[in-house]
Amino acid sequence: GGIITQTPKFLIGQEGQKLTLKCQQNFNHDTMYWYRQDSGKGLRLIYYSITENDLQKGDLSEGYDASREKKSSFSLTVTSAQKNEMAVFLCASSQTTSAETLYFGSGTRLTVL
Amino acid sequence: GDSVTQKEGLVTLTEGLPVMLNCTYQTIYSNAFLFWYVHYLNESPRLLLKSSTDNKRTEHQGFHATLHKSSSSFHLQKSSAQLSDSALYYCALSGNTGYQNFYFGKGTSLTVIP
Repeated sequence: GGIITQTPKFLIGQEGQKLTLKCQQNFNHDTMYWYRQDSGKGLRLIYYSITENDLQKGDLSEGYDASREKKSSFSLTVTSAQKNEMAVFLCASSQTTSAETLYFGSGTRLTVL
Repeated sequence: GDSVTQKEGLVTLTEGLPVMLNCTYQTIYSNAFLFWYVHYLNESPRLLLKSSTDNKRTEHQGFHATLHKSSSSFHLQKSSAQLSDSALYYCALSGNTGYQNFYFGKGTSLTVIP
């Protein structure tokens, strides 16, 4: 079995700050994803990547950048943290064929002061 | 476009009663797959069930769901709720696009009480 590791688990930032979240997977999966989890809003896709150096915008990409420099890693940058923002960011991966399972990391909880 | 609707945001049940969480969907793909993911507190979300063929029931860990293409539904059911079933449940859709793109519902938070 494999694992998805997200760092840090907790991230506290200041308004306007650029913040980076990291994700590593050892499943050797092709596709990786960043989701934002907000209560009552479900999981919303921010960015995904189907291979190394590929980036695709999701529905919630505004205000974020992403980077996939290696197959095993996918990072997400909050370009300018919004005051009082609180959310959980979930990284996931899957094989790039239909109906394959998504595997999730344990999340990074962001708080902006 | 593709979408998933979970009409219940919060469900509270007494232990031992049956569970039914609703999931309906819209998709342009005839071979779309439906999933139920469960997110327990302080854990990672994980797959609970994945749809099979039309009108076929799939089961795992006491839960079951049947894909009904005629009504675009994939409701999650369990005959008897347990306290340990308390969690956030997401229904998700994946179209057959050649690469994986998932659409999630807003989630249903299930609380089972003694």
